Amino acid sequence: QVQLQESGPGLVKPSQTLSLTCNVSGGSISSGGYYWSWIRQHPGKGLEWIGYIYYSGSTYYNPSLKSRVTISVDTSKNQFSLNLTSLTAADTAVYFCARAKQQLIDYWGQGTLVTVSS
Amino acid sequence: SYELTQPPSVSVSPGQTASITCSGDKLGDKYVCWYQQKPGQSPVLVIYQDRKRPSGIPERFSGSNSGNTATLTISGTQAMDEGDYYCQAWDRGTVVFGGGTKLTVL
Repeated sequence: QVQLQESGPGLVKPSQTLSLTCNVSGGSISSGGYYWSWIRQHPGKGLEWIGYIYYSGSTYYNPSLKSRVTISVDTSKNQFSLNLTSLTAADTAVYFCARAKQQLIDYWGQGTLVTVSS
Repeated sequence: SYELTQPPSVSVSPGQTASITCSGDKLGDKYVCWYQQKPGQSPVLVIYQDRKRPSGIPERFSGSNSGNTATLTISGTQAMDEGDYYCQAWDRGTVVFGGGTKLTVL
C-alpha cells in the first residue's frame, strides 16, 4: 500500500519561499509510469493542480503558477519536493502531494495546511 | 487553458438517483475521473476512465462521458455519499479539475 506524507512549515511569511516535501512509502518513486504531483486547495474552495514530476526529472506545471513553482525529486530518499516562491496570502491553502498514473490520481497524502501571514 | 464546469450543488433524497455533470470542450475525447471528498479528508477516486470503478467503490457509483459532458451517477444514494465531488481530466499534459459539486442528501 503506497502512502504519501507531506511535511513542511505551517506558517510562512509573505514574499518568502514555501518548501514542502512528500515522503513516499510502500513503493519506489523510481518506478516508471507515475507522475508525482502537488495539488492545493484554498480554504473552502476546489482543487488546484500545481504540477508534477516524473521520476526521470521531467516536469509539468500549472501555467498560472509556472513562474513561481519548482518540483524536484530525490530518488535516494524516495521523496519529492515543492518550492513556491514570492508567497502572498492567496497561497494560503492545504497542500496535497499525490501519485498520478494513466490519467488518474490514485494515492493522496493527508494534506498540510500552509498559512501565509506576517 | 482548458476548463471543466460543474454545478455548485446538487441535492437528492436518500434512495434516489443523483447525477452530477461536468462539461468541457470535446470532453468526450478525453478520459474523465471523479473524486469524492469529505470534510477534512483527502479526495478519493470513485470513477476513472469515464466509467470504471476502483476496487472498494460501491456499484451504485457509475459514470459516462460523451460529447461535451461527463456525468457521475449515484444510484440509491445514501447519507454517506454526501460530500464534494470533483471531475478531472488531462489536457496536453496538464491536470484539470472541475470546480466541484457539493452533494447534499436530504
